[in-house]
Amino acid sequence: GENVEQHPSTLSVQEGDSAVIKCTYSDSASNYFPWYKQELGKRPQLIIDIRSNVGEKKDQRIAVTLNKTAKHFSLHITETQPEDSAVYFCAASKGGSYIPTFGRGTSLIVHP
Amino acid sequence: GAVVSQHPSWVICKSGTSVKIECRSLDFQATTMFWYRQFPKQSLMLMATSNEGSKATYEQGVEKDKFLINHASLTLSTLTVTSAHPEDSSFYICSAPTTSRETQYFGPGTRLLVL
Repeated sequence: GENVEQHPSTLSVQEGDSAVIKCTYSDSASNYFPWYKQELGKRPQLIIDIRSNVGEKKDQRIAVTLNKTAKHFSLHITETQPEDSAVYFCAASKGGSYIPTFGRGTSLIVHP
Repeated sequence: GAVVSQHPSWVICKSGTSVKIECRSLDFQATTMFWYRQFPKQSLMLMATSNEGSKATYEQGVEKDKFLINHASLTLSTLTVTSAHPEDSSFYICSAPTTSRETQYFGPGTRLLVL
């Protein structure tokens, strides 16, 4: 089955800095890669996703890059703000099978 | 985006009792819903896939007789934790995929504490 590795487990940055979270996946058939943000005690919320036919996608301060050859994808957050503090999960799934495999999560702490 | 609700948001019960958690898709139909369990500072662990009108599919290691799932309609799935014990205390989250079946929308979660 699919295996998703996520690093780092904890990331601490100063407000205004950039943050990068990296994930690798094992199944080359995976073609959909969502990222979720989960604030403490709340539901995970989709913040950005990318499909395998695209190498990069950007939405304001958030961007995701995908390297299919290396089977890794990354989340980039620029100009971080304290409200970006949360746990971020990456996931990978295959077309036709929409059960994603989640990474273990990254706790992002943005210090004012 | 699609809205998924969950009830109750939190529950405290005595050991040995059963607890029912409801998951509803409010503005779309969901023939499939997923149930996850999340322990503190850990990732989402898929417990089972709930299928409308048929039996749920359980992940390896999840006891189907302990975690009863019913998906009686296109908008409602229920998870019943039977004979709950303190080790069942956790954050239970349901999700439903959109029509495109790629994106999942999560419920707000139910925090269960078994005393």
